Amino acid sequence: QQQVKQSPQSLIVQKGGIPIINCAYENTAFDYFPWYQQFPGKGPALLIAIRPDVSEKKEGRFTISFNKSAKQFSLHIMDSQPGDSATYFCAASKNGGFKTIFGAGTRLFVKA
Amino acid sequence: NAGVMQNPRHLVRRRGQEARLRCSPMKGHSHVYWYRQLPEEGLKFMVYLQKENIIDESGMPKERFSAEFPKEGPSILRIQQVVRGDSAAYFCASSPPGGGTGELFFGEGSRLTVL
Repeated sequence: QQQVKQSPQSLIVQKGGIPIINCAYENTAFDYFPWYQQFPGKGPALLIAIRPDVSEKKEGRFTISFNKSAKQFSLHIMDSQPGDSATYFCAASKNGGFKTIFGAGTRLFVKA
Repeated sequence: NAGVMQNPRHLVRRRGQEARLRCSPMKGHSHVYWYRQLPEEGLKFMVYLQKENIIDESGMPKERFSAEFPKEGPSILRIQQVVRGDSAAYFCASSPPGGGTGELFFGEGSRLTVL
């Protein structure tokens, strides 16, 4: 019940493409769903996050779509750029972020 | 630098030795979390601490691993009698009192290699 399942494991897109990364969770008590971006040799950093009272959130080229009934959420990257090449982690937590559970990660490579 | 500071960034130990990893949270943050990242894998929760208290250690291996966050000084993750399977990147994260927005602020990690 504590798991967050993420797919795909890796993704290659052309510059300008729209990679989509999907996540699913079981625990309906989760109330905070962030996405983190990690570059090689660095720590993860928050990219965008959503709470279950909205179905979509957009920040720049990054959009989260959230389907509460299906217990799924996804990250879309519009007009992807080579600089977006990184590992992306979805995550979930409850009660304000304590004990955040991470998905397995998606390695994205954007071809120039 | 007001970010989460971890040291050492790289640590090499031989099997059976001890590893100590240190983490200073962001200024004003009172919650510390430790995560382990194995090569090509995700972040696995290990432990959540507040000052002088372990709140949740459900992800910590039962043996050889311990963590503390004393009243003064950094949080320390201690691995005794290291084995090759302990080789990983260990990330510390912090958050403000009450959890803030839910965002975790990560350090750059400590990469442990066990020979």
